[in-house]
Amino acid sequence: AAGVIQSPRHLIKEKRETATLKCYPIPRHDTVYWYQQGPGQDPQFLISFYEKMQSDKGSIPDRFSAQQFSDYHSELNMSSLELGDSALYFCASSRKENYGYTFGSGTRLTVV
Amino acid sequence: DAKTTQPTSMDCAEGRAANLPCNHSTISGNEYVYWYRQIHSQGPQYIIHGLKNNETNEMASLIITEDRKSSTLILPHATLRDTAVYYCIVRVLPYGQNFVFGPGTRLSVLP
Repeated sequence: AAGVIQSPRHLIKEKRETATLKCYPIPRHDTVYWYQQGPGQDPQFLISFYEKMQSDKGSIPDRFSAQQFSDYHSELNMSSLELGDSALYFCASSRKENYGYTFGSGTRLTVV
Repeated sequence: DAKTTQPTSMDCAEGRAANLPCNHSTISGNEYVYWYRQIHSQGPQYIIHGLKNNETNEMASLIITEDRKSSTLILPHATLRDTAVYYCIVRVLPYGQNFVFGPGTRLSVLP
């Protein structure tokens, strides 16, 4: 079965650089969620989109932005990167009549 | 959403049943109980959810007390691959609402 695809799997950036993470949801899933997980921490919700509109917002820094495109894939844009942005970034998708999310394998971002 | 309380960690012998408790004493009538797990550095994995009846699927069973103030996730025959952090989450079901993770129970399945 198709899963949630995230790219890249690993990313190394320098401080103050910009990064773009991509998420391709399961076909026919209309909602995408982004989570950040720092070392030794639990996943923290950042933002979600339903039918290309922002549906919920969590602890996402102002330096980050995201959007969902017409093909339902989503991109998380991160600017002015800081060392503290080093984390695993997970994307999840769901379909309206389903109750659980399916998570991707994540992107490991390292800021040096 | 109601808060949950879980043990920080638990051990279980391989092949035995793993019973993971969760307290959610302030749960309201329209909140569901969900269980997810996260194997080291992988994306969280949905396990099961329920409202008030006990539920079973190919991965686990969920037992919810009659007053709904607590629940137990049961892995009937734990394997080493079940070693993970298990999250009990209660939330209302409106579509699109995010899940709030943590803290969960770190289950170690021992050989």
